[in-house]
Amino acid sequence: AQTVTQSQPEMSVQEAETVTLSCTYDTSESDYYLFWYKQPPSRQMILVIRQEAYKQQNATENRFSVNFQKAAKSFSLKISDSQLGDAAMYFCAYRSPTSGTYKYIFGTGTRLKVLA
Amino acid sequence: DTEVTQTPKHLVMGMTNKKSLKCEQHMGHRAMYWYKQKAKKPPELMFVYSYEKLSINESVPSRFSPECPNSSLLNLHLHALQPEDSALYLCASRSTGSGTEAFFGQGTRLTVV
Repeated sequence: AQTVTQSQPEMSVQEAETVTLSCTYDTSESDYYLFWYKQPPSRQMILVIRQEAYKQQNATENRFSVNFQKAAKSFSLKISDSQLGDAAMYFCAYRSPTSGTYKYIFGTGTRLKVLA
Repeated sequence: DTEVTQTPKHLVMGMTNKKSLKCEQHMGHRAMYWYKQKAKKPPELMFVYSYEKLSINESVPSRFSPECPNSSLLNLHLHALQPEDSALYLCASRSTGSGTEAFFGQGTRLTVV
């Protein structure tokens, strides 16, 4: 069975600085999808970034980028030029590509605080 | 329209009440989910509907009864809940294509008294 681990329950970053959130996972599958979701106090889970395991290139979305290390089963999220609005709970998630598989496996989350 | 709309946003109910949570999306997604989330925890999957048929039930107690009347609507009927069922209930939808992400609603904050 697949598992997702986020070892940092809480992180802090100064506004305009860079922070990296860690995520490791365990799977025997060779192809899969990885996601970072953000959940601000408004409660809605919002997709931050997505990575397909078959792609070697790391995904980027504006200030957000990932460091995907397939062999190490690591999927960290880097937030550059942190803003107050980035303060939220961040969840790493795994999904199998198998047809008919709908489950997302979430990590326990990292609470990010942004200091003014 | 990339929204998943959940109503109500807040709900307080007694243990003998019957209530329903509603979720609606107009993105043409054919997979819809119910999650339960306790404070400071990740979402826990409850149910998945695929093409309006129940695809996954994660051994959820029968006091929770899901319903998918059409491809845009998902309901969660609640009856005889316990205080420990108090949580944030999130609805999500997803296109059934591979690699697609789930879109989440803002959730219903449920308190059982």
